[in-house]
Amino acid sequence: RKEVEQDPGPFNVPEGATVAFNCTYSNSASQSFFWYRQDCRKEPKLLMSVYSSGNEDGRFTAQLNRASQYISLLIRDSKLSDSATYLCVVDASGAGSYQLTFGKGTKLSVIP
Amino acid sequence: GAVVSQHPSRVICKSGTSVKIECRSLDFQATTMFWYRQFPKQSLMLMATSNEGSKATYEQGVEKDKFLINHASLTLSTLTVTSAHPEDSSFYICSAQTGETYGYTFGSGTRLTVV
Repeated sequence: RKEVEQDPGPFNVPEGATVAFNCTYSNSASQSFFWYRQDCRKEPKLLMSVYSSGNEDGRFTAQLNRASQYISLLIRDSKLSDSATYLCVVDASGAGSYQLTFGKGTKLSVIP
Repeated sequence: GAVVSQHPSRVICKSGTSVKIECRSLDFQATTMFWYRQFPKQSLMLMATSNEGSKATYEQGVEKDKFLINHASLTLSTLTVTSAHPEDSSFYICSAQTGETYGYTFGSGTRLTVV
């Protein structure tokens, strides 16, 4: 089975810090890439999609390097509410097939 | 946005009994529903893919006779854990494709505890 690997964490950072998460994937046929956020005992929720050109949404910046099969998420000016587990998700689904693979996640704790 | 309603959110059952989990797409038609299981500190693992009107496709290692999936309509898919055992205790989550630009919407999950 193809894998998605993430930094093991946990990351404990003070409020206002910048934190970066890394993710690598092994399936070169992967087409779409995402970061999900999962709060304790809750379902994952889409944080943002990741595009080859890189994309930014407020304090969050995602980058994709297809050649290196590497994805990153940068969070600037961390807030207490950012505390959660961040899941790297890779979609290699194709016609008639489904292949969405989740990383184990990296736990972030933002400390006052 | 698209919503998938999942219930129950928590269930405690006795070993040997069966538990049914429902997932409904509230404002869209879910041709395909995905069922995941997540153990503590582990990633979501796909158990099976259900398609409306046809048999579910199970991932390797998932017992289809133990985890019965029914997807009888475009808005409802159910997962029944039959003859549950303590090792089946886990967090079960459904997900559906919404057909939008990006659409994998998750249900809120069901925490199953078998005692």
